[in-house]
Amino acid sequence: GAVVSQHPSRVICKSGTSVKIECRSLDFQATTMFWYRQFPKKSLMLMATSNEGSKATYEQGVEKDKFLINHASLTLSTLTVTSAHPEDSSFYICSALGLAGGSATYNEQFFGPGTRLTVL
Amino acid sequence: DAKTTQPPSMDCAEGRAANLPCNHSTISGNEYVYWYRQIHSQGPQYIIHGLKNNETNEMASLIITEDRKSSTLILPHATLRDTAVYYCIVRVGKETSGSRLTFGEGTQLTVNP
Repeated sequence: GAVVSQHPSRVICKSGTSVKIECRSLDFQATTMFWYRQFPKKSLMLMATSNEGSKATYEQGVEKDKFLINHASLTLSTLTVTSAHPEDSSFYICSALGLAGGSATYNEQFFGPGTRLTVL
Repeated sequence: DAKTTQPPSMDCAEGRAANLPCNHSTISGNEYVYWYRQIHSQGPQYIIHGLKNNETNEMASLIITEDRKSSTLILPHATLRDTAVYYCIVRVGKETSGSRLTFGEGTQLTVNP
């Protein structure tokens, strides 16, 4: 259980175009999803917190008009990189908050496999 | 959330135990210690977490010092597939909905044949 998928796994686009990345919780409902970005040989940086049915909360320094997040259902959040530029090339990872544990359940983040974006 | 300090890299021989240290000297009483790992070009994978007692699961053991200022993740019999970046994260609560994870630089563990 607790599987999160991302689509596509890789995408190459031209500068100036927009790219949409999907994050799905396959076997559980997630009211909260997170989007991270990771540059080569660097750690994950939280970009935004996505809550179903409401506006996303962006971290400081992340442009909300450039990275559009939509969380329209309990199993799907999308990240759209608008007017992509080469500096947006990165590894984008989502996570979904779900229940974990056995006798004592708790909220835990389950991560997707990531999407490699290359902007030419 | 408390800051953590980990060595940037470690090596381990296949079949031997890998002991990964983490310092979290400013940890608060309500903060848990979490460990994740990230194999190259994949999403992070949860390993284990604990508050103050030592914990063990099918993947690893977590040893937390009595003063909770440091911990050690133990992979008892490392395999080549355990080569990854290991992140030690300290965060408030395990039941807080929407709780954030702040990733540091982690430790690159390389398991050698």
